[in-house]
Amino acid sequence: DAGVIQSPRHEVTEMGQEVTLRCKPISGHDYLFWYRQTMMRGLELLIYFNNNVPIDDSGMPEDRFSAKMPNASFSTLKIQPSEPRDSAVYFCASSRTQQGNYGYTFGSGTRLTVV
Amino acid sequence: GESVGLHLPTLSVQEGDNSIINCAYSNSASDYFIWYKQESGKGPQFIIDIRSNMDKRQGQRVTVLLNKTVKHLSLQIAATQPGDSAVYFCAESYNDYKLSFGAGTTVTVRA
Repeated sequence: DAGVIQSPRHEVTEMGQEVTLRCKPISGHDYLFWYRQTMMRGLELLIYFNNNVPIDDSGMPEDRFSAKMPNASFSTLKIQPSEPRDSAVYFCASSRTQQGNYGYTFGSGTRLTVV
Repeated sequence: GESVGLHLPTLSVQEGDNSIINCAYSNSASDYFIWYKQESGKGPQFIIDIRSNMDKRQGQRVTVLLNKTVKHLSLQIAATQPGDSAVYFCAESYNDYKLSFGAGTTVTVRA
């Protein structure tokens, strides 16, 4: 298995532009999570899906952020408009409902820089 | 100027020695705990987990200890190797699939 695949690996954009981050979870995993990592706040959960349905989006910072999961093999995190304070590494992770173990598998992340 | 942000605990260990990484978790109702390792430029990688009905679990070269009385979790790495240099995170969960992560500990292995 190729693991959780995120694209792009790096994104540099200007303030005000729309940014779309992409994630392909591991096949067969029914949970998908979006995290943001910064030096200031560490790893923060933004939103998670179960069977393509958003379950908890309480971590989404504001209306500029949106996430979708149109099917079991693809999810996007969109920021519109982007701001410099959105600069961070964004991780996608997936997990399979499994008795006794639901440790996530993380992707390699997208490093976003908003200038 | 003054740096702003999380001040991660650090641990410097001689190659071949054992390492102990500590974590204080916040929710006394948490029932599932995981240790992750994050190398530079990579996502966190699952190391080992433990449920609250256990107080010790062993893996390959790693042992996790759980003390629910004081809400403390530790990760022991035997015979630390240069490849063990990374940031280590503990994570906790209560009755759902959301994990809350600690700030992390930076481990540096001296040759």
